[in-house]
Amino acid sequence: DAGVIQSPRHEVTEMGQEVTLRCKPISGHNSLFWYRQTMMRGLELLIYFNNNVPIDDSGMPEDRFSAKMPNASFSTLKIQPSEPRDSAVYFCASSDVSGANVLTFGAGSRLTVL
Amino acid sequence: GEDVEQSLFLSVREGDSSVINCTYTDSSSTYLYWYKQEPGAGLQLLTYIFSNMDMKQDQRLTVLLNKKDKHLSLRIADTQTGDSAIYFCAESHTGTYKYIFGTGTRLKVLA
Repeated sequence: DAGVIQSPRHEVTEMGQEVTLRCKPISGHNSLFWYRQTMMRGLELLIYFNNNVPIDDSGMPEDRFSAKMPNASFSTLKIQPSEPRDSAVYFCASSDVSGANVLTFGAGSRLTVL
Repeated sequence: GEDVEQSLFLSVREGDSSVINCTYTDSSSTYLYWYKQEPGAGLQLLTYIFSNMDMKQDQRLTVLLNKKDKHLSLRIADTQTGDSAIYFCAESHTGTYKYIFGTGTRLKVLA
């Protein structure tokens, strides 16, 4: 398996633009997570999907953020409109939430909003 | 609420042992983990320990768990420059998706 695949790896955009981040989880994993990492706040869970259904979106900062998982092999995180404070590294992770509940992370998408 | 704490930095010389410490507050944690993050990469699982264990060894890595003091440590023997990274302690519960991550300890290995 190629692991969790995220795209783009880097995105630089201007304030007010729409940003879409993409994730392909590991085949067979039934859980998908979006995290945000910043120096100030560390790792924050944004949203958790189980079997393609959003279970916990309490970490989504505000209405500008939305996430979808239309099928078991694809998820998107959208920010519209983007703001400079959204600059961070966004990670997607997947798991089968069984046994030791090990998370497998993607390489991340580094977002810079000017 | 639940919290996981780690020191921010550790510097060691190549060939020495590194010990990274972590304290947590949730006594009902089932699993405790160590993840490693190299520059420009995502977190990667190094090892984990089930809460009914005191120690786990895996090649150069030794994990010690003191449940009474809610203290977890990761010892890396014969530390190499390739071990330079950020190490995250984390805890979770069986059957739930929620992880509590520490702030990460940045390990710098000096040649």
